[in-house]
Amino acid sequence: DAGVIQSPRHEVTEMGQEVTLRCKPISGHDYLFWYRQTMMRGLELLIYFNNNVPIDDSGMPEDRFSAKMPNASFSTLKIQPSEPRDSAVYFCASSLRGGIEKLFFGSGTQLSVL
Amino acid sequence: GEDVEQSLFLSVREGDSSVINCTYTDSSSTYLYWYKQEPGAGLQLLTYIFSNMDMKQDQRLTVLLNKKDKHLSLRIADTQTGDSAIYFCAESDRSNDYKLSFGAGTTVTVRA
Repeated sequence: DAGVIQSPRHEVTEMGQEVTLRCKPISGHDYLFWYRQTMMRGLELLIYFNNNVPIDDSGMPEDRFSAKMPNASFSTLKIQPSEPRDSAVYFCASSLRGGIEKLFFGSGTQLSVL
Repeated sequence: GEDVEQSLFLSVREGDSSVINCTYTDSSSTYLYWYKQEPGAGLQLLTYIFSNMDMKQDQRLTVLLNKKDKHLSLRIADTQTGDSAIYFCAESDRSNDYKLSFGAGTTVTVRA
């Protein structure tokens, strides 16, 4: 398996624009997590899904953030409209049974909002 | 995360042992984890320890858990240049083992 695949690797956009981050989890994994990493706040869990259903979105910072998982092999994290303070590295991770088992991370999307 | 604290930097000479320390607040965490992040990459699970254990050894890695003091440490024996990375301590959420809270990460620099 190629691991968790995220795209794009880098995204530079202007304030107010819509940003869509994409993730393909490892085949067969039933948990998918979106994390955000910043220098100030470290690694924060934004939302996670189990069997494509959002279980906990309490970490999503604002209504500008939304996440979907239309099927077992694809998830998106959308920011609309984007703001400079959204600049961060966004990681997607998947696992077979949540945190107890190995959590496999993607390489991340470096987002810069100007 | 606020509940997990680590020192930010550690510099160690190649061949020496590295010890990375972490304190956590949730005494009911079932599992505690150490993750490694290399530049430009995602986090990789290094090892984890179940909360009823005191120690776990895995090749060059030794994890020590002091539940009374809520203190977790990771010792890397014979540190190599390839060990230069950011190391994250994480605990599972008290109500949900699937949610992990991460520390801010310790940047380990191995010098020749």
